[in-house]
Amino acid sequence: QKEVEQNSGPLSVPEGAIASLNCTYSDRVSQSFFWYRQYSGKSPELIMSIYSNGDKEDGRFTAQLNKASQYVSLLIRDSQPSDSATYLCAGGFTGNQFYFGTGTSLTVIP
Amino acid sequence: DTGVSQDPRHKITKRGQNVTFRCDPISEHNRLYWYRQTLGQGPEFLTYFQNEAQLEKSRLLSNRFSAERPKGSFSTLEIQRTEQGDSAMYLCASSPGRGEQFFGPGTRLTVL
Repeated sequence: QKEVEQNSGPLSVPEGAIASLNCTYSDRVSQSFFWYRQYSGKSPELIMSIYSNGDKEDGRFTAQLNKASQYVSLLIRDSQPSDSATYLCAGGFTGNQFYFGTGTSLTVIP
Repeated sequence: DTGVSQDPRHKITKRGQNVTFRCDPISEHNRLYWYRQTLGQGPEFLTYFQNEAQLEKSRLLSNRFSAERPKGSFSTLEIQRTEQGDSAMYLCASSPGRGEQFFGPGTRLTVL
């Protein structure tokens, strides 16, 4: 079983809509989670980190962590064409190993 | 520019040759990670340094791979006797702690 799993999509939303990205994790993964954005041909860029159960908001982005259900999600409000990218979920494993999901490709349609 | 830098950005080599990549982390970050990424996949953890100490290494990593971080500053990743399956983007990331990682632009390796 992979430690971190994502629906690879692709996901398409119209401009201005809410994009919802989801990630599940195995119980081997510790309780620190991260969302990265990766444009084609570029390296991952950190968007959000979340360590506690509940929601964390930063601008148009909201990360949600539900430890009981072992999932973490990212909501992007008022989606813009510039948000079109692959979104990677990552979990920190005890011992300082990090596991990334395969990524969800998001396209925001103008 | 105070971000993470990697050198070279591209490397083409023939099978069986050795290659070495360099990573210069953000200066105040004492944690450094190496990853490998292939098309359509997320980054795959290779190894982790805290200062000059290599504290974690993926158990899936071939012994042809070795990494160093002398003096706790820049790091090098060497691949010996390269194979075509080693073709990938090699990413370096540095972190101030708590797992938040900042990636360099990567080194794209092509093994012919």
